[in-house]
Amino acid sequence: QITLKESGPTLVKPTQTLTLTCTFSGFSLTTSGMSVGWIRQPPGKALEWLALVYWDDDKRYRPSLRTRLTITKDTSKNQVVLTMTNVDSVDTATYYCAQGRLGFAFDIWGQGTMVTVSS
Amino acid sequence: EIVLTQSPGTLSLSPGERATLSCRASQSVSSNYLAWYQQKPGQAPRLLIYGASNRATGIPDRFSGSGSGTDFTLTISRLEPEDFAVYYCQQYGSSPPWTFGQGTRVEIK
Repeated sequence: QITLKESGPTLVKPTQTLTLTCTFSGFSLTTSGMSVGWIRQPPGKALEWLALVYWDDDKRYRPSLRTRLTITKDTSKNQVVLTMTNVDSVDTATYYCAQGRLGFAFDIWGQGTMVTVSS
Repeated sequence: EIVLTQSPGTLSLSPGERATLSCRASQSVSSNYLAWYQQKPGQAPRLLIYGASNRATGIPDRFSGSGSGTDFTLTISRLEPEDFAVYYCQQYGSSPPWTFGQGTRVEIK
């Protein structure tokens, strides 16, 4: 059974750095074709794709956030970490991580974690 | 970056009726890598369709996807009470960034 779970702070102050961890089980991020992505959803709004890391450590980012995002993987811990620098109130959202496979989109999602940016 | 436009914004239908949702891309989606997700309040999205027309594991056959290039459709043949939700399309072509549409809400009439 494949599961993913997001963890991190629920409240972050403006200008701080947000660090979110996705801990997964049931698959390996060393398997060819696998990826883990981060997606967020501001309250009442649509989904926004943020970043993706592939099994071969290739990394891709949302162009408008490219300078603020970093995605890394730790295959020994089955974790993917997303850091976002210089957060602002517009970054308030539920953040999801999801498993991707080549050709299959995001077929398994975590439950999401709500992050509020406020002083 | 490919922009996805979904229509209509809201669809008001009764159980048993047919729902047709549209997703139009600003440029051709490579390999027809277009997915559809269902999201209910307070829940994570659930993958329904990948590769434009392939049902994900465990998805009932009343859900079907079609289309290619820039125009895609999700059809729910007969709406069940549990199908009232928000639906998103997503393109995941060969090279990110990947993008989502703005969503279509299917509500009970």
